[in-house]
Amino acid sequence: DTAVSQTPKYLVTQMGNDKSIKCEQNLGHDTMYWYKQDSKKFLKIMFSYNNKELIINETVPNRFSPKSPDKAHLNLHINSLELGDSAVYFCASSLGYEQYFGPGTRLTVT
Amino acid sequence: AQSVTQLDSHVSVSEGTPVLLRCNYSSSYSPSLFWYVQHPNKGLQLLLKYTSAATLVKGINGFEAEFKKSETSFHLTKPSAHMSDAAEYFCVVSDMGTYKYIFGTGTRLKVLA
Repeated sequence: DTAVSQTPKYLVTQMGNDKSIKCEQNLGHDTMYWYKQDSKKFLKIMFSYNNKELIINETVPNRFSPKSPDKAHLNLHINSLELGDSAVYFCASSLGYEQYFGPGTRLTVT
Repeated sequence: AQSVTQLDSHVSVSEGTPVLLRCNYSSSYSPSLFWYVQHPNKGLQLLLKYTSAATLVKGINGFEAEFKKSETSFHLTKPSAHMSDAAEYFCVVSDMGTYKYIFGTGTRLKVLA
């Protein structure tokens, strides 16, 4: 059973397009996150939701919009994609201080 | 504010020799500290965690780490490296009571045959 899953695994798209990445967790956790890992492997938190409520919103362009339809899902929608958005995006979930990560979505913007 | 410094961006060891990956942290509160491993093109897997219990923490695959408050360090060690240990390792700090993880910049471990 996959604990935290993301779709798609790979996403190749052109500049200016709008795309979404989906995340689902079956662990019953209350809190979910989105992280961005750049080409140098640096991981930075973007957003966090707790019981469908946004609790962390780092300095991220407003082209990025997270949506949590329920506490098991946290989707990431990106408008007007730019070359600099190319990265690996990780979803994670937690019940307390320990986070469980999804396999990542590699986004390539051409 | 919390921060994490991984002192080495790359570490190379020979198979069968000890591994030491260094991590220093800064935190205003009692921190929770973690080590995660990322194999090439894979997600992040938790190796071990410190959450104010025993200062010597044992993790998976023979790894362990020692929390030293006086040195603000949480170095990761393994007595004998295996080829399968080659990966990127991340030290992470999280303040208790918050949801925020702060990642170090990562240490790439290379294991030589």
